[in-house]
Amino acid sequence: KQEVTQIPAALSVPEGENLVLNCSFTDSAIYNLQWFRQDPGKGLTSLLLIQSSQREQTSGRLNASLDKSSGRSTLYIAASQPGDSATYLCAVGGMDSSYKLIFGSGTRLLVRP
Amino acid sequence: KAGVTQTPRYLIKTRGQQVTLSCSPISGHRSVSWYQQTPGQGLQFLFEYFSETQRNKGNFPGRFSGRQFSNSRSEMNVSTLELGDSALYLCASNEVPSPYEQYFGPGTRLTVT
Repeated sequence: KQEVTQIPAALSVPEGENLVLNCSFTDSAIYNLQWFRQDPGKGLTSLLLIQSSQREQTSGRLNASLDKSSGRSTLYIAASQPGDSATYLCAVGGMDSSYKLIFGSGTRLLVRP
Repeated sequence: KAGVTQTPRYLIKTRGQQVTLSCSPISGHRSVSWYQQTPGQGLQFLFEYFSETQRNKGNFPGRFSGRQFSNSRSEMNVSTLELGDSALYLCASNEVPSPYEQYFGPGTRLTVT
């Protein structure tokens, strides 16, 4: 059974700092991995999608990497801003027929001005 | 294109009642998935529909049901509400029933009193 873990659960950093959020999964047989952002009480905004054959994806100040063999993904945020404050969730799509996303519990990020 | 829309956005119900939530996917998307988000359990998969057929169902009791219409709009129904059903219910859509990038709606906040 796939399990997804995110560390740390919460992170507080000063504005301008570069930071890394971690995501690990127990079953390397994944189809893809997706990073989301969630603002309080809101839905999920897709940030980056990495297919299992890819090693990384970049969008602006965000870079996500995937190492299937070790069951790990990282989300790198460069030059953090207060507007980056949110909960970041990673989710894996399995290769079985279920096609459902298995989510981690998220990292709650606070960027202090 | 308009994003995924969910109605209503907020709902307050009493234990024992039933509730119906609605989701309209992005135009052209034929797959709709539902997730429940609670502080204790995080995001959990409820079910997925494609072309009016339920493809997968998560580990939830039979009180949770859903359907999809020919225009891809989907509804989920919860009967005999319990306090533990209080949650943010999120709907996601994508073009095909596979773990490609999923696009989430803003959610329906259900409170059961």
